[in-house]
Order: sequence, then C-alpha cells, then structure tokens
Amino acid sequence: EVQLVESGGGLVQPGGSLKLSCAASGFTFSGSPMHWVRQTSGKGLEWVGRIRSGANKYATKYAASVNGRFTISRDDSKNTAYLQMNSLKIEDTAIYYCCRPAKLGACDYWGQGTLVTVSS
Amino acid sequence: DIQMTQSPSSLSASVGDRVTITCRSSQNIDYYLNWYQQKPGRAPKLLIFAASNLQSGVTSRFSGRGSGTDFTLTISSLQPEDSATYYCQQSVSTLVYTFGQGTRLEI
Repeated sequence: EVQLVESGGGLVQPGGSLKLSCAASGFTFSGSPMHWVRQTSGKGLEWVGRIRSGANKYATKYAASVNGRFTISRDDSKNTAYLQMNSLKIEDTAIYYCCRPAKLGACDYWGQGTLVTVSS
Repeated sequence: DIQMTQSPSSLSASVGDRVTITCRSSQNIDYYLNWYQQKPGRAPKLLIFAASNLQSGVTSRFSGRGSGTDFTLTISSLQPEDSATYYCQQSVSTLVYTFGQGTRLEI
C-alpha cells in the first residue's frame, strides 16, 4: 500500500526557516518524482514544486512565489523527500502536502498534510 | 506561467442532476489536464488524468473531456457524497504545474 506521511510543520516567525519531510512507502521511491502542494486556509491549491528522480538528475522546479526561498531535496536511501523553507512569509501559512505524480503528472497518492503557520 | 480558470466558482445542484464544470488554460496544454476532488479536512483525490482518463477506483459517473485549452468535468446522477470542491490542474512537465481556483459543489 502506498503511503506518504508529512512531518515537520509548526509555528515559525516571519523570516524564519522550517524543513518538512515526506516519508514514502509502498512503491519504488527512487524512481518516482515527488511534488509539494500547499493550501492556505479556506483557499485553493497551489503547486509549490517538484523534484525528479536520480535518472533525471534530481531536477527541480518551483512556483514563482517560492522560487529562491524554498528548496526540494530527497534521500532515496531513506525514501524521503524534503521541503526546506527559508525566508518564510506570513502568506506561506498553509497546509503542505507531498504527492506522487504517476500518470502524466497527475498525483494519485497524497499525504495527509502538515500545517505550517508563519506568525510573530 | 499558464493560468487555469474554472467556472463556475460555485454551484448548487440536486441529487440525480448532471453538472458540468469548465476549465480553461491560458495556453495550449494538449491533454495534460487533471481533475481532483477535495472534501473539507482531506487531501485532494485524483478523479481524471490526461483530460479524459478515469482514475482507478473512481465511479464512472465522473467523466472528462477536452484538449488544447478547453476542458470539462461532468458528474452524472449526482449523489450527496459528491459535495466537494473540484480542481483542475495542468501538468505539462516542462512547466510549473498550476491549479484552477476550484469549483465548490453543493448538493
């Protein structure tokens, strides 16, 4: 059974940093790209970024709103993807999901999400 | 970035109705269009991938059509459990993926 479990969320001050983890199981993690998506309170979904597999040189891409502040990485030996968030802003407050894109970029499995609150 | 525009933003319908939600992209995305359903407090659920392909385990009351810039999600014979917010997403691999703003469906 495919499972994705996010962790690392919490309360952080503006300008601070936080690192989220996404622990995967039930599929060949090393061969799969991984995406991060966020959702602000009561609002819609925003794609944050993705990391490809090692066969694709771990290439990353980010939404403009986080480019230069957020970094996605992965440790295939731990079946875990990460989202390092720096220079956090109040508007980064959201539930952060990781998901596995399987079919032409569509995410068929999602984690339960982890809440990040940026506030002073 | 490609902009995705859904309409309507919300709608109300009755059990047994048929509803259609529209998604338009600002550029040609061929068939790289996915539909998700999200219920409050839950992660999104994939319904349709590549414009018209039903995800495994999803009821055939959901169907998708379109290509290029114009796409639709149709739900036939609405059931109470279809109350949710529906999102389209473009997934052209060379680009930043983007979601539509969502359509809230009340039954």
